[in-house]
Amino acid sequence: EAGVAQSPRYKIIEKRQSVAFWCNPISGHATLYWYQQILGQGPKLLIQFQNNGVVDDSQLPKDRFSAERLKGVDSTLKIQPAKLEDSAVYLCASSVQGWETQYFGPGTRLLVL
Amino acid sequence: QQQVKQSPQSLIVQKGGISIINCAYENTAFDYFPWYQQFPGKGPALLIAIRPDVSEKKEGRFTISFNKSAKQFSLHIMDSQPGDSATYFCAASPDGGKLIFGQGTELSVKP
Repeated sequence: EAGVAQSPRYKIIEKRQSVAFWCNPISGHATLYWYQQILGQGPKLLIQFQNNGVVDDSQLPKDRFSAERLKGVDSTLKIQPAKLEDSAVYLCASSVQGWETQYFGPGTRLLVL
Repeated sequence: QQQVKQSPQSLIVQKGGISIINCAYENTAFDYFPWYQQFPGKGPALLIAIRPDVSEKKEGRFTISFNKSAKQFSLHIMDSQPGDSATYFCAASPDGGKLIFGQGTELSVKP
């Protein structure tokens, strides 16, 4: 069974630029999550999708972050404009249903200069 | 109240020893407590999880001990091996809600 795929793996941008991350969850997983993991901290949930609907985006900085999950499969997370404090690893995870047994992708490491 | 506090921040153990990582929480609505293991450059992977209706769960060399009254839970790694060297995160979920992760413990097992 293929795992959660993410791209790119690394990205370096200047502040105020925009960036987008892509995630392909495990086939058949209805729930998809985006987490932000700042160096030395645990992952923090940004947004959760159930199929193509948003379940929880309470911690998503909506003035600069946006996410979509078209057709209930792949998802993209966008930051526009980026700030220095957005430097982090962005993790995508998926699960069959609900919060338990989440499978994480390798993450995208973002550095904002 | 939504925080999960994890300690220690880093841990060095000799091969064959016992690694112990502790977590504490405040929110009594938490009812699912997983532990994740993360290797450098990889995403976290579920290691073992427990619900508050049991005080201990064991899977191979990994054991979760849960103390509901003290609102604490811990991960014990028996016979620690160099391959166990990774960052470990505890987490908690309130009644089907989102996972709240601890700050992580970087474990190094020396040969």
